[in-house]
Amino acid sequence: NAGVTQTPKFRVLKTGQSMTLLCAQDMNHEYMYWYRQDPGMGLRLIHYSVGEGTTAKGEVPDGYNVSRLKKQNFLLGLESAAPSQTSVYFCASIKDGTDTEAFFGQGTRLTVV
Amino acid sequence: AQKITQTQPGMFVQEKEAVTLDCTYDTSDQSYGLFWYKQPSSGEMIFLIYQGSYDEQNATEGRYSLNFQKARKSANLVISASQLGDSAMYFCAAGSLDSARQLTFGSGTQLTVLP
Repeated sequence: NAGVTQTPKFRVLKTGQSMTLLCAQDMNHEYMYWYRQDPGMGLRLIHYSVGEGTTAKGEVPDGYNVSRLKKQNFLLGLESAAPSQTSVYFCASIKDGTDTEAFFGQGTRLTVV
Repeated sequence: AQKITQTQPGMFVQEKEAVTLDCTYDTSDQSYGLFWYKQPSSGEMIFLIYQGSYDEQNATEGRYSLNFQKARKSANLVISASQLGDSAMYFCAAGSLDSARQLTFGSGTQLTVLP
């Protein structure tokens, strides 16, 4: 099983450019999350989804948008990238509200110059 | 909402010895879960152990155990018989069990196992 797959693994953007990070899971999980990890800090929640067609804001949502058009995919968009968005982005999924273990993707290292 | 505090930025332990990584939490939730994740230098997040707030027994998973003291709001990770492969960043996290299960992470502890 592939589990949680993030695309791309690495990306360099210029300030003001846009991009979409894709998270795909093949475990039929209901809940999906996007986190960012900055040096010296733990992961912080950007947005999350508790099912197809639903999204909600997390702790640090500004500058990001998300969509969950299909259950298996959770997209994170940066409309106008800023250097402050340089970070490692992690996607995670949980089976549903009765489960506890979150499965994480490998991470996407994004640099905005 | 939760707040996680890990006060040890770095720890060293001799191979084959036990080590305790500290974690304290603050939450207003009645039902919550506590988690530990390992992040090796390769960057992936590896789930280690889980403790529910209503679990009376401390969780154990192989060489990992979670020392849960609810009244003190602490959830320390104990690694027994440390191995060189245990060298990594360790994150404590908490999540409400009554909502969307989103996690709040601490800032992590970098563990180095010495040969």
